Amino acid sequence: GAGVSQTPSNKVTEKGKYVELRCDPISGHTALYWYRQSLGQGPEFLIYFQGTGAADDSGLPNDRFFAVRPEGSVSTLKIQRTERGDSAVYLCASSSNGGVGQPQHFGDGTRLSIL
Amino acid sequence: GIQVEQSPPDLILQEGANSTLRCNFSDSVNNLQWFHQNPWGQLINLFYIPSGTKQNGRLSATTVATERYSLLYISSSQTTDSGVYFCAGRDGGTSYGKLTFGQGTILTVHP
Repeated sequence: GAGVSQTPSNKVTEKGKYVELRCDPISGHTALYWYRQSLGQGPEFLIYFQGTGAADDSGLPNDRFFAVRPEGSVSTLKIQRTERGDSAVYLCASSSNGGVGQPQHFGDGTRLSIL
Repeated sequence: GIQVEQSPPDLILQEGANSTLRCNFSDSVNNLQWFHQNPWGQLINLFYIPSGTKQNGRLSATTVATERYSLLYISSSQTTDSGVYFCAGRDGGTSYGKLTFGQGTILTVHP
């Protein structure tokens, strides 16, 4: 597609449930990033994929969070045993050439609410 | 990692006014970008500006990488300019594009 696509746009679920958030990057972009934005804050880095592999997952807050990109295109962020503190907007971005010397393009985000 | 500071945190303008937003970095950065987050939460690319000056309509940006700051200029502001403006940069020590964001400047333009 023309831009980064994220689904769903909104997700409301109960504490303790499992959620999956999907990101479809710009076609041909090898680098994919997940960020999390809490209310009133700037986005914070979660994980970076170059191709199929997670090259840097240092931003994932704990082991309840996991992300995959099995074919080097679409990525899924998975959150187990959700907690109310996980409520935030989850943003995905992609860029070419690993992001070096290239801008990142962001999707519209998934607004996750944990009740 | 790098620290990114934006100023001012809040800015209220009358339509037609000009403004300057500033972004300071704690260390060398690359891949500097300015974004506008609109009231619907969409993060819109404004400028990719690692150094130098760029202009796009009423907006322009200047980055002085050696002095670790960037400026975003908005001229003849409109109500549609309202929202949050973020700058973000890549740590010069990393080999990929992980961005560190500032806290943002909340801009409100009144008619």
